[in-house]
Amino acid sequence: KQEVTQIPAALSVPEGENLVLNCSFTDSAIYNLQWFRQDPGKGLTSLLLIQSSQREQTSGRLNASLDKSSGRSTLYIAASQPGDSATYLCAPEEGRRGVTGGGNKLTFGTGTQLKVEL
Amino acid sequence: NAGVTQTPKFRILKIGQSMTLQCAQDMNHNYMYWYRQDPGMGLKLIYYSVGAGITDKGEVPNGYNVSRSTTEDFPLRLELAAPSQTSVYFCASSPDKWGVGRVVDEQYFGPGTRLTVT
Repeated sequence: KQEVTQIPAALSVPEGENLVLNCSFTDSAIYNLQWFRQDPGKGLTSLLLIQSSQREQTSGRLNASLDKSSGRSTLYIAASQPGDSATYLCAPEEGRRGVTGGGNKLTFGTGTQLKVEL
Repeated sequence: NAGVTQTPKFRILKIGQSMTLQCAQDMNHNYMYWYRQDPGMGLKLIYYSVGAGITDKGEVPNGYNVSRSTTEDFPLRLELAAPSQTSVYFCASSPDKWGVGRVVDEQYFGPGTRLTVT
């Protein structure tokens, strides 16, 4: 059974800092890995998806890397802003299955709660 | 394009009552999912569907039922509410990864339903 750990559980930083959020997973047979953002009382917003054949993916100030063999992914946030304050979740997707198999099932970590202060 | 919508936003149930959580998506996605999120825990998959008429259990299906009569709708039914079902429920959808030209298959989430059972 896949288990996902995110470190740190919480992080408080001043505006402008570059941040590193870590995600580790126990089963390396994944198809891809998604990073989400969750604002308090809201749903999840997809930030980045890294396919298992990729090493990294970038979107604006966000960069996510994936080392499938060691079961690790890292989310880098450059020049953090107060608007980045949220909980960040990583979710590896289980490996491929047959055509009639069931969807892209994700396993979620408990997240890193980020607060960026002025 | 509304994305994934969920109703109601909040609900309080008494023990033993029944209710249906509604979920709809207008993105023509074949795959749909129901998750629950308990405080301090990662999201857990309850049920999922790979298309109309096809559903399957996730990690925590006990106490719930689903149906998928159309591509757009994926309601979640609680038959005999228990305090252990107090949680935030999220519905999600993703495109059919086997579709022509599809490479990425991000999951898109609804805003959630906060349910309290007392």
